[in-house]
Order: sequence, then C-alpha cells, then structure tokens
Amino acid sequence: TQLLEQSPQFLSIQEGENLTVYCNSSSVFSSLQWYRQEPGEGPVLLVTVVTGGEVKKLKRLTFQFGDARKDSSLHITAAQPGDTGLYLCAGALGTGTASKLTFGTGTRLQVTL
Amino acid sequence: NAGVMQNPRHLVRRRGQEARLRCSPMKGHSHVYWYRQLPEEGLKFMVYLQKENIIDESGMPKERFSAEFPKEGPSILRIQQVVRGDSAAYFCASSPTGEKLFFGSGTQLSVL
Repeated sequence: TQLLEQSPQFLSIQEGENLTVYCNSSSVFSSLQWYRQEPGEGPVLLVTVVTGGEVKKLKRLTFQFGDARKDSSLHITAAQPGDTGLYLCAGALGTGTASKLTFGTGTRLQVTL
Repeated sequence: NAGVMQNPRHLVRRRGQEARLRCSPMKGHSHVYWYRQLPEEGLKFMVYLQKENIIDESGMPKERFSAEFPKEGPSILRIQQVVRGDSAAYFCASSPTGEKLFFGSGTQLSVL
C-alpha cells in the first residue's frame, strides 16, 4: 500500500509555464518534505513543512501543507530548464528524532526551451 | 565539509555473492538511514542507525540483509547471497538530529 500518491507522474512543459505537483495521502503526517533528485544522484531537500495550512516559498517554488496535514502541493512559477528533475514528497509519521520518511513515487518534470 | 560519501558508486555481483555497501556520514552526523530505490519507484526506508545501535529496521528484509554503524568507520549495508531482485539503487542519508536528511549519491547494485 502506497501511503503517498503523487500526481502527475510525468510532466513535460515549456520554459515559462507554471505547474503544480500534488502529494496526497489518507494518513496524517507530523511533517512533510519535498526533495528534488537528479539522475544518478541522491535526493536534495528543498523544504520541510510542519504546520497544517503552512505555505513556504523558495524563489519560484511555493509549497503548501494541507490543513489536515494529509496532502501537500508544489507550485513552480515560470519554469526553467534547470527545474528539470524528479520531485519527491516524503512524510514523517512520527515526531522527534526517530521519524523515518515515507516517500511518494515522484513526479518527473521536464522543462524544455 | 564533505557530503555523505557512498562507495562504490556501482557494484556488480553474480547471484549468490555478497554485496557490501559503505556509507560515510557527514562530519558530526550520528544518525544514518538506508533507503532502496527501484526503477520508477520512490525510495523505500530500510533501516535507521545511530552509532553502534540499530534504532529501526522495520524496512529491512528478514533474511540476507544486515546493517551496522560501528563506533569507528562507515556504516555498512550487507546483502548476502544476492538475487536479481536485489538490483536497485541504495541510498544512505545522514542527519545531525534525525530530522533534516542529507543523502549520498547512492550505490547502484546490479545482480547478474
């Protein structure tokens, strides 16, 4: 059973377009993280959201945690080729330092010129 | 300040052989996590260790897989008698507190 479902699985857009990636679950998470992974490399943490309804911005990226802490979205404004990669959401079910992460299946984004 | 170092980057084994994957955490990090990533799938948690202790191994297969994080030296993920289904990318992550994870570049294991 996949706890975290991401949609869409694949997304190919042109430079300058906006996009939103979704991460949904029936479970409540204590925190949720978003990562980007390049081919042949490990995931790199983009942001952590903790509070229900929280919105965080990182340049052209806007992250939102659902009010019930079951879902999250990542919105990219004016996408650039450098945004290409695999975007993964990951939820922590526990609290404190012993939390292990449950990863979603990812959204593979390709941004073309 | 070097990041999480994993070696080897690529490992080829024949069925029945042993695979040893090494992970040196970032300096000052005492929490180590191992994840496995199959093609077109997300990362699956395997095990969480702190120095000399296994904290959570709920994601580890019951047989053939073991992990350690000795007082001195890297963390080791050991797979005995490998089978083709073990072929995957294995990622190690370290953390100073157990909350923010820093991932290594992974070891791609191929079982022939």
